[in-house]
Amino acid sequence: ETGVTQTPRHLVMGMTNKKSLKCEQHLGHNAMYWYKQSAKKPLELMFVYSLEERVENNSVPSRFSPECPNSSHLFLHLHTLQPEDSALYLCASSQDTQENEQFFGPGTRLTVL
Amino acid sequence: GQNIDQPTEMTATEGAIVQINCTYQTSGFNGLFWYQQHAGEAPTFLSYNVLDGLEEKGRFSSFLSRSKGYSYLLLKELQMKDSASYLCAVSPAYSGAGSYQLTFGKGTKLSVIP
Repeated sequence: ETGVTQTPRHLVMGMTNKKSLKCEQHLGHNAMYWYKQSAKKPLELMFVYSLEERVENNSVPSRFSPECPNSSHLFLHLHTLQPEDSALYLCASSQDTQENEQFFGPGTRLTVL
Repeated sequence: GQNIDQPTEMTATEGAIVQINCTYQTSGFNGLFWYQQHAGEAPTFLSYNVLDGLEEKGRFSSFLSRSKGYSYLLLKELQMKDSASYLCAVSPAYSGAGSYQLTFGKGTKLSVIP
């Protein structure tokens, strides 16, 4: 247990569906991250939030929409996804964005049909 | 640009020693991390190097040479539970807007055999 939880652990959705991924951290951290992990590719940083404000958006398509209502919760809203978006989506947190050690959640395995 | 290279797969025998190498070319350098990731699980922190030299932590050690853009993770007295992917990640530099980014390699899948 790293103190970062994610739900659901597995998700199958059609291209026209709308779904949301949820992340919660119990570590009192101020920074939270979304990563995408595809087979045989490096972890790709998608979004960074610091104190509930987005500070990085690495050219992610608009069909992925993050939301950070408070420093403990992070959501990733999904709509009209493509099959190539199938991947493991990992949430992470750190004390702040200047603290490099990140604690990862177990991930959501997403399959887009 | 950022580039991090590490072997895709390695196999080693239980009880042996294995060294996983990582080379990097990044714009600036603010530290190198090693993470362990078991299949279907979250990456977990193993080590952090920002200065040259060897950092030892139990059965695991990590080495860094900044001038060579090179690091390795050394695992001693291998156990079956060490079978996992090992991710090398570099913090290139302060990227502005209050954030540091970690750039990850593709990971090295280590299989420990009896």
